[in-house]
Amino acid sequence: AQKITQTQPGMFVQEKEAVTLDCTYDTSDPSYGLFWYKQPSSGEMIFLIYQGSYDQQNATEGRYSLNFQKARKSANLVISASQLGDSAMYFCAMRENGNNRLAFGKGNQVVVIP
Amino acid sequence: DAGVIQSPRHEVTEMGQEVTLRCKPISGHNSLFWYRQTMMRGLELLIYFNNNVPIDDSGMPEDRFSAKMPNASFSTLKIQPSEPRDSAVYFCASSFGTARAFFGQGTRLTVV
Repeated sequence: AQKITQTQPGMFVQEKEAVTLDCTYDTSDPSYGLFWYKQPSSGEMIFLIYQGSYDQQNATEGRYSLNFQKARKSANLVISASQLGDSAMYFCAMRENGNNRLAFGKGNQVVVIP
Repeated sequence: DAGVIQSPRHEVTEMGQEVTLRCKPISGHNSLFWYRQTMMRGLELLIYFNNNVPIDDSGMPEDRFSAKMPNASFSTLKIQPSEPRDSAVYFCASSFGTARAFFGQGTRLTVV
C-alpha cells in the first residue's frame, strides 16, 4: 500500500526567504506521480506542482520547485521568496499509475511572517 | 468549465439522520475521488471511481457510509445513520486519467 509521510511541525518563515517542505513516500509501483497542493485558511485545495516518476528533471512552476530524489523516495517542495499569501497547509500526494489511487500526506503548516 | 461542484456547501443535521453529499465532476474526467478532512486524521481517501466503477472503498469507515456514481456526471456519498464523529469537511475531486486532480469546494458537515 502506498504511504506518504510529512512529519515537519508547523513552520514560521520570514517573508522573502525560501522554505523547504519534506515529503517521503513508499510504493511498489514503478510508475507514479507526485503532487503538491496548497490549502489556505479559506479551505480550497489548490494544485501547485507535479513530478512524474520517470521525469528526468525536477519540476518547477514559478516560485515552486520540487526536489525529487527517486532513490531516497523523497519529493520535497521548495518555495522561493516566500510571500504572506503563502501561509497555508501544504499537502504532498502520490498517485500510483497502476491503480490510479491518489492519497495524501498529513500536511505541513506554513506561516509566513513579515 | 465550472470546475468540480459539490452540494451542499454546509450541512447541519441531527444524529441518526441520513445525509447525502453530491458531486458533479468536471466534464470529460473519468476518475472521481471522495475525501474526508478532519484535524485529527488529515485528508483521508474514502473511495474512488474509475469510469463510474468503484475501484477501492477500503477507506470507507464503516457500513454507514456508501457511495455511488450512476453516471459520468454525478456521484453521491451517503451517511446513514449519521453520528457526531462524522463531522468533517468532505471533498470530491476529479481527474482525467493520471493527470492532476481538481477539487470541489467541499461540504462542511456538522452532526449534532
